Amino acid sequence: AQSVTQLGSHVSVSEGALVLLRCNYSSSVPPYLFWYVQYPNQGLQLLLKYTTGATLVKGINGFEAEFKKSETSFHLTKPSAHMSDAAEYFCAVSLLRGYNKLIFGAGTRLAVHP
Amino acid sequence: DVKVTQSSRYLVKRTGEKVFLECVQDMDHENMFWYRQDPGLGLRLIYFSYDVKMKEKGDIPEGYSVSREKKERFSLILESASTNQTSMYLCASSQTGETGNTIYFGEGSWLTVV
Repeated sequence: AQSVTQLGSHVSVSEGALVLLRCNYSSSVPPYLFWYVQYPNQGLQLLLKYTTGATLVKGINGFEAEFKKSETSFHLTKPSAHMSDAAEYFCAVSLLRGYNKLIFGAGTRLAVHP
Repeated sequence: DVKVTQSSRYLVKRTGEKVFLECVQDMDHENMFWYRQDPGLGLRLIYFSYDVKMKEKGDIPEGYSVSREKKERFSLILESASTNQTSMYLCASSQTGETGNTIYFGEGSWLTVV
């Protein structure tokens, strides 16, 4: 069965520092992987996704993630944090292709301080 | 622009009341989903629908039912609300037929059961 583990429920970085949010998955078949962001009192917005092809995926707002099959990981990075990046981030794996049911991790709350 | 609209953002209901949460999407998507979001648990799938009048249980369907009479509308029903159903509810939709389809979320409905 598919599952997603996000390491660290809270991450705090300084403005301008590297952002690294960790995600590991388990899946019996090649996965489709997603990162979503949720700003306070809002729904989820897609940051980026991996389906097939290039393993380094670029998303919105300067974020990127690399699919590493050997490590079963899909970590999210951004070279330089901005105050506006403070939000909750969710990693997800697709369960069924056609219906696109997603299994979500528990989420990581990112704080950015001056 | 893609739009998933949840008509009620904030609701307070009494224990035992019947509660309806409404969701409308304007993208002609076949798939629609109801998730529940709780701190530390991420998002958990309650029900999903892949066509009009079709539905399938997700991971936590107990205490909930759904209705999809029209393609654009997917309703979540709490037959007899209980305090442990106090939560944030997120509706989502996606197209079928493509791999790795993006799921689009509404802004969420905060339900408090007292």
